[in-house]
Amino acid sequence: AQSVTQLGSHVSVSEGALVLLRCNYSSSVPPYLFWYVQYPNQGLQLLLKYTSAATLVKGINGFEAEFKKSETSFHLTKPSAHMSDAAEYFCAVISRGNNDMRFGAGTRLTVKP
Amino acid sequence: DAGVIQSPRHEVTEMGQEVTLRCKPISGHNSLFWYRQTMMRGLELLIYFNNNVPIDDSGMPEDRFSAKMPNASFSTLKIQPSEPRDSAVYFCASTRLAGVGNEQFFGPGTRLTVL
Repeated sequence: AQSVTQLGSHVSVSEGALVLLRCNYSSSVPPYLFWYVQYPNQGLQLLLKYTSAATLVKGINGFEAEFKKSETSFHLTKPSAHMSDAAEYFCAVISRGNNDMRFGAGTRLTVKP
Repeated sequence: DAGVIQSPRHEVTEMGQEVTLRCKPISGHNSLFWYRQTMMRGLELLIYFNNNVPIDDSGMPEDRFSAKMPNASFSTLKIQPSEPRDSAVYFCASTRLAGVGNEQFFGPGTRLTVL
């Protein structure tokens, strides 16, 4: 089964600094990849997704992710962190041919003033 | 669109009681998922349905857990009897089967506390 690994359960950045959240997938066939955000006491909300079109995917709130087949990675970035970005972020994968989505363990982002 | 609707939002019950969580997927979505989220185990897929049919229930922790989807607009997750270790946030999500790489849309969750 497909899986994703998120490196770093907790990332802390200063306001205005670059945000980089790491995600690697396990697959010999490029899957469909997603990033979700979860704010406290809320459900998961889609940030962006990769479905084999452009390798650089832009999402909401200024986030983007780049699909790199050679590195089996789909890291999430944002040039300048804002206090409102503090949340938990989940990388997820769907194998081609089914709709069973598998989530990573999540990365909690803290933004310091 | 109202999004995925879950009820109740919060449930506090005593050990041994039956608990029923409810979910209404987004209209037109024909695939529905139940997840459980805890600090220790993260986000776990419990079961999912395609066209109201259970496809994979391997994530259901024990026979105390059961899920049904009697029609396209309603699903329930039942725990009987409930135990303190069942305390968690339970999420329902839905998506369309048609097309490729469709994202799941999540409900707000039900926070269950079993005393």
